[in-house]
Amino acid sequence: KAGVTQTPRYLIKTRGQQVTLSCSPISGHRSVSWYQQTPGQGLQFLFEYFSETQRNKGNFPGRFSGRQFSNSRSEMNVSTLELGDSALYLCASSLSGANTGELFFGEGSRLTVL
Amino acid sequence: QKEVEQNSGPLSVPEGAIASLNCTYSDRVSQSFFWYRQYSGKSPELIMSIYSNGDKEDGRFTAQLNKASQYVSLLIRDSQPSDSATYLCAVRQMRANDYKLSFGAGTTVTVRA
Repeated sequence: KAGVTQTPRYLIKTRGQQVTLSCSPISGHRSVSWYQQTPGQGLQFLFEYFSETQRNKGNFPGRFSGRQFSNSRSEMNVSTLELGDSALYLCASSLSGANTGELFFGEGSRLTVL
Repeated sequence: QKEVEQNSGPLSVPEGAIASLNCTYSDRVSQSFFWYRQYSGKSPELIMSIYSNGDKEDGRFTAQLNKASQYVSLLIRDSQPSDSATYLCAVRQMRANDYKLSFGAGTTVTVRA
């Protein structure tokens, strides 16, 4: 059974640019959550999608957005990149999200903003 | 106050010893508790979940939950060098329309051979 796939794995952008990250969950999983991980802040919750609907959102500015498609694949977008957006962005899928709490993480997309 | 707090460590233990990791949480309505392990350069993986007060054992791992004290812990018995990793405590709130999973900053464990 394939795991959670995130693309791209590494990317370098400059301030002011935008970036789109993609996540393909485990087959059959309907919930996709996104997290930002930095050495100083740890894992910070961005948002969770379930059946194409955003179910919850963390405390990030509106520059961070996401969506989920009918096949459960999800994308997150960060516009007007800032240096502080440099981080590892982790996607996690779950069979039903809230009820199980068991998240399966992808390997992450490491974003560097110059 | 952070929602989930852990001792950042590093926690260094000799091989074969017991590693004890602690986690406290601020929201009393929290109902689901998890421990994730993250090796350096890798993504987190779930190793334990606990939902009710008391102890839950799985192999060399024991999770302990005390909701009255808002405290959850993880014991690693007979620690092995392969247990060297960062352990993340996660707490899920079950309020209406709020299903986020909040993570602690993690405790880094080093097992000395």
